[in-house]
Amino acid sequence: DAGVIQSPRHEVTEMGQEVTLRCKPISGHDYLFWYRQTMMRGLELLIYFNNNVPIDDSGMPEDRFSAKMPNASFSTLKIQPSEPRDSAVYFCASSWLRAEQFFGPGTRLTVL
Amino acid sequence: RKEVEQDPGPFNVPEGATVAFNCTYSNSASQSFFWYRQDCRKEPKLLMSVYSSGNEDGRFTAQLNRASQYISLLIRDSKLSDSATYLCVVNQGNQAGTALIFGKGTTLSVSS
Repeated sequence: DAGVIQSPRHEVTEMGQEVTLRCKPISGHDYLFWYRQTMMRGLELLIYFNNNVPIDDSGMPEDRFSAKMPNASFSTLKIQPSEPRDSAVYFCASSWLRAEQFFGPGTRLTVL
Repeated sequence: RKEVEQDPGPFNVPEGATVAFNCTYSNSASQSFFWYRQDCRKEPKLLMSVYSSGNEDGRFTAQLNRASQYISLLIRDSKLSDSATYLCVVNQGNQAGTALIFGKGTTLSVSS
């Protein structure tokens, strides 16, 4: 298995632009998580899905952030409009039941 | 009080040293505990789960004290390759499938 796949690996954009991050979980995993990591705040959970259904989105910072999981093999995290304070590394992770979470390589986002 | 607290370090130790990391958590209902390892500019990866009776995996020993809500990780005979950030992780509550909360991590640097 290729593991969790994320794209793009790096994204540089200007303030106000829309950003879409993509994730393909490990086949057969029923949980998918989106995290954001910064030096100041560490690794923060944004939202997670179980069987494609959002379970807890209380970590989503504000309405500019949205996430979807249209099927078991794909999820997106969208930021519209983006702001410089959104600059961070965004990780997607997947797991089966309560087992180990496997992380993707992350997307390093820079908003100028 | 933060949900998961760790001493950020850095811990600078010579090869062969024994080093211990500590972590406290605030949610007494937490049932699952883990240590993850994160290398520089990489994704977090599971190092080991932490069980109530304590558990060992080679040079690594994890302990859990539920009464004090305290978790520890002991690394014996440190290797250069142990240099990384170690993340203490607990689940949010006692429900199956609840998300994980990550500490900010403790940085270890092992030198020759």
